[in-house]
Amino acid sequence: DAGITQSPRHKVTETGTPVTLRCHQTENHRYMYWYRQDPGHGLRLIHYSYGVKDTDKGEVSDGYSVSRSKTEDFLLTLESATSSQTSVYFCAISEQGANTEAFFGQGTRLTVV
Amino acid sequence: GQNIDQPTEMTATEGAIVQINCTYQTSGFNGLFWYQQHAGEAPTFLSYNVLDGLEEKGRFSSFLSRSKGYSYLLLKELQMKDSASYLCGGGSTLGRLYFGRGTQLTVWP
Repeated sequence: DAGITQSPRHKVTETGTPVTLRCHQTENHRYMYWYRQDPGHGLRLIHYSYGVKDTDKGEVSDGYSVSRSKTEDFLLTLESATSSQTSVYFCAISEQGANTEAFFGQGTRLTVV
Repeated sequence: GQNIDQPTEMTATEGAIVQINCTYQTSGFNGLFWYQQHAGEAPTFLSYNVLDGLEEKGRFSSFLSRSKGYSYLLLKELQMKDSASYLCGGGSTLGRLYFGRGTQLTVWP
């Protein structure tokens, strides 16, 4: 199994609070991705990274920011959580971006109350 | 992302063959991925097509037509454990990886 872990696995937070989700990999893969998955919407790309300090927006980036200060960690921050951000968040890693297989973490279930 | 379309739900019986279709906007895509996702679990890789044609891998095969923006996943000799969501995804030269909404396949005994 690819070495990718997400933390926390579950979190309940209040509206308006900041939240940071962490994705950690031990594979030294260049590309890292953050997705959210909601019923009826499949996987939607939030942000992705193509190297240390290199990030770009995806389809649903509003309300989210990311940082990648080292190869192994990709952080997703909800600046001020809203109920619409209640979702399951998946991190993925890939050696060559969209040309190779991506490996997914186990997901983080976030509930904003 | 990139207008990836696939049916929402499909059903089939054990032992049968099922084909899950996927259409996508052709511009900017390198190739097509298929992933399997069981309820409550992470997606896992099934196949990647970058050239036109059929790629066979055991009971699963995947087809791509780049000019038509069309792909399908063919599952043979269906088993109960094949009940899952199947995600069609495409990657761009910029490294973005998009997915469709997924097709929920239910296999009945």
